[in-house]
Amino acid sequence: SQKIEQNSEALNIQEGKTATLTCNYTNYSPAYLQWYRQDPGRGPVFLLLIRENEKEKRKERLKVTFDTTLKQSLFHITASQPADSATYLCLSPDSWGKLQFGAGTQVVVTP
Amino acid sequence: NAGVTQTPKFQVLKTGQSMTLQCAQDMNHEYMSWYRQDPGMGLRLIHYSVGAGITDQGEVPNGYNVSRSTTEDFPLRLLSAAPSQTSVYFCASSTRQGGAFFGQGTRLTVV
Repeated sequence: SQKIEQNSEALNIQEGKTATLTCNYTNYSPAYLQWYRQDPGRGPVFLLLIRENEKEKRKERLKVTFDTTLKQSLFHITASQPADSATYLCLSPDSWGKLQFGAGTQVVVTP
Repeated sequence: NAGVTQTPKFQVLKTGQSMTLQCAQDMNHEYMSWYRQDPGMGLRLIHYSVGAGITDQGEVPNGYNVSRSTTEDFPLRLLSAAPSQTSVYFCASSTRQGGAFFGQGTRLTVV
């Protein structure tokens, strides 16, 4: 079956360091991947989209990579701040166009 | 722009009751979808639509119906509520490859 998976273990990181999150997909090749941020009690907020022919995308302190050989996208938060604490979700379309979310990875940035 | 508007924000139902969760968007997006999110879990796709008159099932469609008579509206109907449907429901809209915009969520409790 086609799956999109994220590390379910929370990532605890010290302020100022770089947080790196992983999104792996199996049994399909998505045309793009998206990353979202979700705060408790709120809906997800779109952050970045990266297409299969793009290696890297940046937005302020955020960087996303897409490795079609490894079937993986990495999401980096550089110079992390306590305000970056949230759950980060990846999303991709499967072969039939259904949008699937990964389970999300919680990031906790401590001062 | 209002973006994506979901109503109601909170709802308590008795087992066996039916109700409709409303979702409207004013961005002329062709793609709309409904997700449910259970405590500590990711978003699971219930139903989605790629345009007016076209709907399809997601990962967890049982017990829910949808219709898309207009581009703007995508209501989700619970046919006969069950305690297992207690969850937070999110509606989202997007262009075909753009980032999705989410509503504020509906917190549903079935007793």
